[in-house]
Amino acid sequence: QQQVRQSPQSLTVWEGETAILNCSYEDSTFNYFPWYQQFPGEGPALLISIRSVSDKKEDGRFTIFFNKREKKLSLHITDSQPGDSATYFCAASVSSGSWQLIFGSGTQLTVMP
Amino acid sequence: DMKVTQMPRYLIKRMGENVLLECGQDMSHETMYWYRQDPGLGLQLIYISYDVDSNSEGDIPKGYRVSRKKREHFSLILDSAKTNQTSVYFCASSLTRDSLEQYFGPGTRLTVL
Repeated sequence: QQQVRQSPQSLTVWEGETAILNCSYEDSTFNYFPWYQQFPGEGPALLISIRSVSDKKEDGRFTIFFNKREKKLSLHITDSQPGDSATYFCAASVSSGSWQLIFGSGTQLTVMP
Repeated sequence: DMKVTQMPRYLIKRMGENVLLECGQDMSHETMYWYRQDPGLGLQLIYISYDVDSNSEGDIPKGYRVSRKKREHFSLILDSAKTNQTSVYFCASSLTRDSLEQYFGPGTRLTVL
């Protein structure tokens, strides 16, 4: 049972376009949602995160939109650059003594110049 | 420069051989993690270590064991490796169990023939 789902599996956009990556979850107790960015041959690195008390989090060209009622969130990357080409993982967690992350299967983003 | 290191980066073993994957961090982080990453499955948590000799099973501990004798080192051991343990293994660390951000190493690609 996959608790965190991501779509699409892969996405190609042109430089300058907005890339939209989707994520949904099942457990309503999840209250922390980080997005990790992973380049080939490297480990994931935290990109941006949101808590369930907020519906939007912005950091430069990266924005998370969060819909608690529908248990969905999305990562918008505006003015996409070739350097943004990477795999993006949505994760979810709830504090129960420690912040254990449940990762989605990832979206591979390719930005064409 | 804060860093998580993993050794070796690539490893080929035969079925039934023992495997030792090493992880180190120079940030004095209390909590360390081992994940495996498989295509289409994202990252799956194998073990968590909250400090020296304080380890806890993750979601897929079967076939693995861990050792943490020093805060900066966390080892993953596969006794009698199986072909279905072929994967990319990532180590991560966080300051404490309550810390939201995890820092990942570059990964070890393990192939079991």
